[in-house]
Amino acid sequence: QSVLTQPPSASGTPGQRVTISCSGSSSNIGSNTVNWYQQLPGTAPKLLIYSNNQRPSGVPDRFSGSKSGTSASLAISGLQSEDEADYYCAAWDDSLGVVFGGGTKLTVL
Amino acid sequence: QLQLQESGPGLVKPSETLSLTCTVSGGSISSSSYYWGWIRQPPGKGLEWIGSIYYSGSTYYNPSLKSRVTISVDTSKNQFSLKLSSVTAADTAVYYCARHVRVAGTEFDYWGQGTLVTVSS
Repeated sequence: QSVLTQPPSASGTPGQRVTISCSGSSSNIGSNTVNWYQQLPGTAPKLLIYSNNQRPSGVPDRFSGSKSGTSASLAISGLQSEDEADYYCAAWDDSLGVVFGGGTKLTVL
Repeated sequence: QLQLQESGPGLVKPSETLSLTCTVSGGSISSSSYYWGWIRQPPGKGLEWIGSIYYSGSTYYNPSLKSRVTISVDTSKNQFSLKLSSVTAADTAVYYCARHVRVAGTEFDYWGQGTLVTVSS
């Protein structure tokens, strides 16, 4: 059971906009920033969004993040086949340290 | 370009100690800005943070693993290491090392490729 709750799966068709939610509590998302990771099959995770809504250099602006209260969301617009991957949210928990969501498997139909 | 590479045995017997090393190249592990962390991923499952270390030796551990984990750093070799004692099958996972941008944060911006460690007799 992960400290941060994500839907196990999400899907969309090419060109569509999809969102992935991440729910936490006052001790993690509610008081600290959220980061998102993309993990392509068979590879290490890649930092996708940091500090709630910032994109590292090289990450397309199709990816965006937001946070409100104890929840956060990752949005992917103009969905592409290469976006098919697992997505994880992460936040610092004041008692537990680094906590991850359980991950969301995104399928591009 | 910073690179991280995990190394160590791929098979460990139950009750023994898992030992892995992460070698950092293309940058100094003694950089005052960063911590260095270990994250694992059981087959088909999600990510779990194990712990992180600063070049001075200051450490932060996942409370659920703290009693079994030791992370150390060797600045002369630009390496940091993980020891996990009394392993069971539940410790079978891909183990990643990564640069941890700041303590009290969760930005891991450079990752190793990961190494699969299987716990089995």
